[in-house]
Amino acid sequence: QQQVKQSPQSLIVQKGGISIINCAYENTAFDYFPWYQQFPGKGPALLIAIRPDVSEKKEGRFTISFNKSAKQFSLHIMDSQPGDSATYFCAASISGTYKYIFGTGTRLKVLA
Amino acid sequence: SQTIHQWPATLVQPVGSPLSLECTVEGTSNPNLYWYRQAAGRGLQLLFYSVGIGQISSEVPQNLSASRPQDRQFILSSKKLLLSDSGFYLCAWIQGSYEQYFGPGTRLTVT
Repeated sequence: QQQVKQSPQSLIVQKGGISIINCAYENTAFDYFPWYQQFPGKGPALLIAIRPDVSEKKEGRFTISFNKSAKQFSLHIMDSQPGDSATYFCAASISGTYKYIFGTGTRLKVLA
Repeated sequence: SQTIHQWPATLVQPVGSPLSLECTVEGTSNPNLYWYRQAAGRGLQLLFYSVGIGQISSEVPQNLSASRPQDRQFILSSKKLLLSDSGFYLCAWIQGSYEQYFGPGTRLTVT
């Protein structure tokens, strides 16, 4: 029940296309859902995050869509660029528990 | 602004040798601190977290230990390294808000 299932494991997208990464969870107590971007040899960087009281959040080319009833959330990268090639992690957290549960990661490659 | 430092950046150690990795956070007080390990091409495994000086919670039983001697200092240690301890070690912090920030990481290779 504490797992966050992330898919796909890897993704190849053409430059200018839309990259979509999905995550699903079981525990309805989760109340914070961030996405991280990690380049090889670097620490993950917080990209964008959402709380369950909104269904969508957009920051530049990155959008989180949240479906509370389905217990799913997804990251959409619009106009994908080769510089977006990285590994993306979703995560979920519960207030006051101090812990994040991470997905297994998606390796995105954007072809030039 | 807050910054997080980890050192060393890379480390090659023989099996059976001791380990000490250090993490410090600047520009904040009383942060929650975390140690994660990431195997090559894999996800993030939470090893330890700390909500205050001297308060350590272990998530995975193993031959690693953690200590928090100062408010903004978090140390990961081992008395005898195993080959399976190789990986990318990440320190992270949270203060107040939910947002968790990661350090640059330490690449450990046990030979």
